[in-house]
Amino acid sequence: DVKVTQSSRYLVKRTGEKVFLECVQDMDHENMFWYRQDPGLGLRLIYFSYDVKMKEKGDIPEGYSVSREKKERFSLILESASTNQTSMYLCASREGPRNEQFFGPGTRLTVL
Amino acid sequence: GENVEQHPSTLSVQEGDSAVIKCTYSDSASNYFPWYKQELGKRPQLIIDIRSNVGEKKDQRIAVTLNKTAKHFSLHITETQPEDSAVYFCAATTGANNLFFGTGTRLTVIP
Repeated sequence: DVKVTQSSRYLVKRTGEKVFLECVQDMDHENMFWYRQDPGLGLRLIYFSYDVKMKEKGDIPEGYSVSREKKERFSLILESASTNQTSMYLCASREGPRNEQFFGPGTRLTVL
Repeated sequence: GENVEQHPSTLSVQEGDSAVIKCTYSDSASNYFPWYKQELGKRPQLIIDIRSNVGEKKDQRIAVTLNKTAKHFSLHITETQPEDSAVYFCAATTGANNLFFGTGTRLTVIP
């Protein structure tokens, strides 16, 4: 009964590499989100999208960009990975503002 | 924007005891308050939520209370069990597209 999937569970990249993290949801949700999760800092919103080709900056967008070409797919892009982007990245989707938010399993990214 | 503070950051209780996690929010327009549980190595999942038109909601051993005047809400877990051990996140939203999360509480239930 998997609803939100992410392309990788673990990823190791080198500093300066371009990194793509992909998220797919099968619930026809309008809203999709990318968070990073770090110990003691909780879930911090990077970007979100409420429609195809629409995107909004979250709390920590610096160093990231996103793409949403299809409703079910939301990609997070690290243009030039840096060591301080080593983190757990969680994708989520939701139908409306007061509906349950479904999370993906997460991608643990390590930048060396 | 909204600011959600969550306390404590860690909580240890004996099995069978109760656990309480508290959150405060800053935006009086916030009207939806969900709680998510994240077990070790797993994704966060919704366990209970409350809307601003009610003061309390229960679901078996879990309850959430809301005090709109004081702008705080709490999660109560009674008769704790080892499987309750997890990180719990509170969140708040005004109904815009964002959920604002607290920083999480790591609950450990000691058998």
